[in-house]
Amino acid sequence: AQSVAQPEDQVNVAEGNPLTVKCTYSVSGNPYLFWYVQYPNRGLQFLLKYITGDNLVKGSYGFEAEFNKSQTSFHLKKPSALVSDSALYFCAVRLPNRDDKIIFGKGTRLHILP
Amino acid sequence: EAGVAQSPRYKIIEKRQSVAFWCNPISGHATLYWYQQILGQGPKLLIQFQNNGVVDDSQLPKDRFSAERLKGVDSTLKIQPAKLEDSAVYLCASSSMIGSGGGTGELFFGEGSRLTVL
Repeated sequence: AQSVAQPEDQVNVAEGNPLTVKCTYSVSGNPYLFWYVQYPNRGLQFLLKYITGDNLVKGSYGFEAEFNKSQTSFHLKKPSALVSDSALYFCAVRLPNRDDKIIFGKGTRLHILP
Repeated sequence: EAGVAQSPRYKIIEKRQSVAFWCNPISGHATLYWYQQILGQGPKLLIQFQNNGVVDDSQLPKDRFSAERLKGVDSTLKIQPAKLEDSAVYLCASSSMIGSGGGTGELFFGEGSRLTVL
């Protein structure tokens, strides 16, 4: 079965430290990979995506993600965390040529401690 | 570019009543999604439209939920009768088809409609 895993329900990081939010996937073919962020009482906002090309992609608010094909991972990173980064983060894969189906991970809550 | 519009933002009803949510996607987006998000969980796809045809409604509880997308633009999601476990945020999202007009598949979400069933 095709799936997306976010192994950590919650990640706590001190402000100013680097952060990583993990995502691995199990799909066939070459999926498109996405990260979304959700602030309280808001819809999901697109952060960044990997389609093809350079394995390191940069997105909004200083976030970046590294695609690793051999490990089927797409971890979200930021060199220096801000308290305002505290939110819920979702990894997602989209399957082109399969009715554009999208699979979301269950989400990781990121707490940045002042 | 206007975003995805949803209404109402909040709705409180009693169980066994009915409710309808409306979504207006980004202009030109062929694909429209309705998701259910229960507090603390990830979005669960209820139904996916491509233009005005249904692509996937496998997780839609069809005995009580219905959705339509007339003319391939706006969409309405209805729940009748509502149950306590339907309390959730209902998210609408739209996207262009991958490869269509340069679309690369990211979803654009509305702010959601929060339903509380008492």
